[in-house]
Amino acid sequence: NAGVTQTPKFRILKIGQSMTLQCAQDMNHNYMYWYRQDPGMGLKLIYYSVGAGITDKGEVPNGYNVSRSTTEDFPLRLELAAPSQTSVYFCASSYPPGLRANVLTFGAGSRLTVL
Amino acid sequence: GQQLNQSPQSMFIQEGEDVSMNCTSSSIFNTWLWYKQDPGEGPVLLIALYKAGELTSNGRLTAQFGITRKDSFLNISASIPSDVGIYFCAGQPGDYGGSQGNLIFGKGTKLSVKP
Repeated sequence: NAGVTQTPKFRILKIGQSMTLQCAQDMNHNYMYWYRQDPGMGLKLIYYSVGAGITDKGEVPNGYNVSRSTTEDFPLRLELAAPSQTSVYFCASSYPPGLRANVLTFGAGSRLTVL
Repeated sequence: GQQLNQSPQSMFIQEGEDVSMNCTSSSIFNTWLWYKQDPGEGPVLLIALYKAGELTSNGRLTAQFGITRKDSFLNISASIPSDVGIYFCAGQPGDYGGSQGNLIFGKGTKLSVKP
């Protein structure tokens, strides 16, 4: 199994440009997440989805949009890139929490620089 | 919002030494997870803890869920060069209502090993 696959691994954007970070998982996980990681700041949740057609905001959603048309895919869209969105983005997926915490499986990350 | 205080922020150790790091919070958590992130990769789960007082090992790694449910520690025994990376704690808040299950992440402990 590939697990969680993110593309692209690296991207440089100009201010105001748009782009979509792709995320796909092949583990049949219901839950999917997007985090951003800034140096020394840990992981901040941007958006998450509990299933196809359902998305919700996390801690830092401003400037981003998501959609979840299938169980496998959870793209993250930046409409008007800003320097503050320079970061490393991680997609993750999990089974529903149930009785035990949702153990997340992460992708390898997408490093985005906005100049 | 809820926060996890992870310490130390970084550490340099000699190969063969034991390492200890911890996470604390002012509120209770139902679950503690410890992840490791290698350079250029996404976090990978090391240990999951589900019960207060639980002590779990994974090879040279040992983690404990604090009795108060407000802290957890991770120990690495006899460190080796491949232990280099960033270690994150993550917790499932105690007021989790079942519909979200979002984890709270610490800011990480960066481990560097002197050869």
